[in-house]
Amino acid sequence: EIVLTQAPATLSLSPGERATLSCGASHTINSNYLAWYQQKPGLAPRLLIYDASSRATGIPDRFSGSGSGTDFTLTISRLEPEDFAVYYCQQYGSSPGTFGHGTKVEIK
Amino acid sequence: EVQLVQSGAEVKKPGESLKISCKGSGYSFTTYWIGWVRQMPGKGLEWMGIIYPDDSDARYSPSFQGQVTFSADKSINTAYLQWSSLRASDTAMYYCAKQHEMVGPLDAFDIWGQGTVVTVSS
Repeated sequence: EIVLTQAPATLSLSPGERATLSCGASHTINSNYLAWYQQKPGLAPRLLIYDASSRATGIPDRFSGSGSGTDFTLTISRLEPEDFAVYYCQQYGSSPGTFGHGTKVEIK
Repeated sequence: EVQLVQSGAEVKKPGESLKISCKGSGYSFTTYWIGWVRQMPGKGLEWMGIIYPDDSDARYSPSFQGQVTFSADKSINTAYLQWSSLRASDTAMYYCAKQHEMVGPLDAFDIWGQGTVVTVSS
């Protein structure tokens, strides 16, 4: 099973700032099958990025994903008020699919 | 509109059985895998496994193998998650989610149900 480690656990930033979230894998993720999700309190997760760098339908271009192998990054170029939430990475390159423990992006 | 609608909240006692549902609409239900994801109170997401509604082929995470059962009724576009004997540790939110693309069993999840809260308490 691939273990995903997200860092930092909490990121305190102000609106307008750049957010950089990391996701490290214990083993190489096949075909860079890595997704990022956003979850707000009381709501289901929302797919942001799939295949490491492809934006899902309707996702603003301030969200971008990068990386390969075992190291992946989600970047939010300029934080909007609605971006403060918890972000999870997920790998689907090998079974079982696994999620990271999440990074909370909070208002500073 | 593509959507997944899950059954309502459940309160059960330890040892009881339970089956929750996830109904898909707005897309070809039989041609996309459906996944189940657990979220315990205040915790992160856990990948439980997936099922292919067309033939009910199911794959389980080792952490959940033997603890739960996935099933599907393609005639009514519905997937199910069931327990034969609940434990207090099963208390959680359970989400179903639709596979993003028709590329095989493992994929990102692009559409999520609203979640079903399961509370197990004596």
